[in-house]
Amino acid sequence: ETGVTQTPRHLVMGMTNKKSLKCEQHLGHNAMYWYKQSAKKPLELMFVYSLEERVENNSVPSRFSPECPNSSHLFLHLHTLQPEDSALYLCASSQDLGRSNYGYTFGSGTRLTVV
Amino acid sequence: AQSVTQLGSHVSVSEGALVLLRCNYSSSVPPYLFWYVQYPNQGLQLLLKYTSAATLVKGINGFEAEFKKSETSFHLTKPSAHMSDAAEYFCAVRFFSGGYNKLIFGAGTRLAVHP
Repeated sequence: ETGVTQTPRHLVMGMTNKKSLKCEQHLGHNAMYWYKQSAKKPLELMFVYSLEERVENNSVPSRFSPECPNSSHLFLHLHTLQPEDSALYLCASSQDLGRSNYGYTFGSGTRLTVV
Repeated sequence: AQSVTQLGSHVSVSEGALVLLRCNYSSSVPPYLFWYVQYPNQGLQLLLKYTSAATLVKGINGFEAEFKKSETSFHLTKPSAHMSDAAEYFCAVRFFSGGYNKLIFGAGTRLAVHP
């Protein structure tokens, strides 16, 4: 257990479904991140939150909608996804945005399959 | 601009042999550098980090990395590979963009260890 918990671990959804990924950390970190990891591609930073405020949206399609209700929780709401959205979605947290020399703590990820 | 290049997407070694995973970085300022490991269906786990203190950094599981400014390198080594070292390894550099620091990752190197 790394301190960052992601649920569910696996998710299969149809292209017309709506689902949500959840990330929770109790490390006292103030910054949280969503990354997408596809086969044979580098990790793609999707969203960055600092103190519940979104500070970066890396040209992510609107079918991905993040939500950060408090500094401990981060959600990724999914709707009308495409098969190419199938990937491992990783959540990470860090102490804050200015001190990432401490590195990020990652969750175990949600393996998403879109059928 | 800051970037990370990992030479070799796949590395295969025999159990007990030296492990050498290569990472070169590009940074306009003194970098903070990291190595992460990812086991199958898991998130990323921090192995070690360089934050401008000692140039030889020791991490977990017997890994270490040496920061060489003249070569802009931060290669990861382990004297004797173990079967449990089989995983994917990511080098990352901290950079400043959009008003805050964040990490960018290399494409990863998959390490195979055979008997």
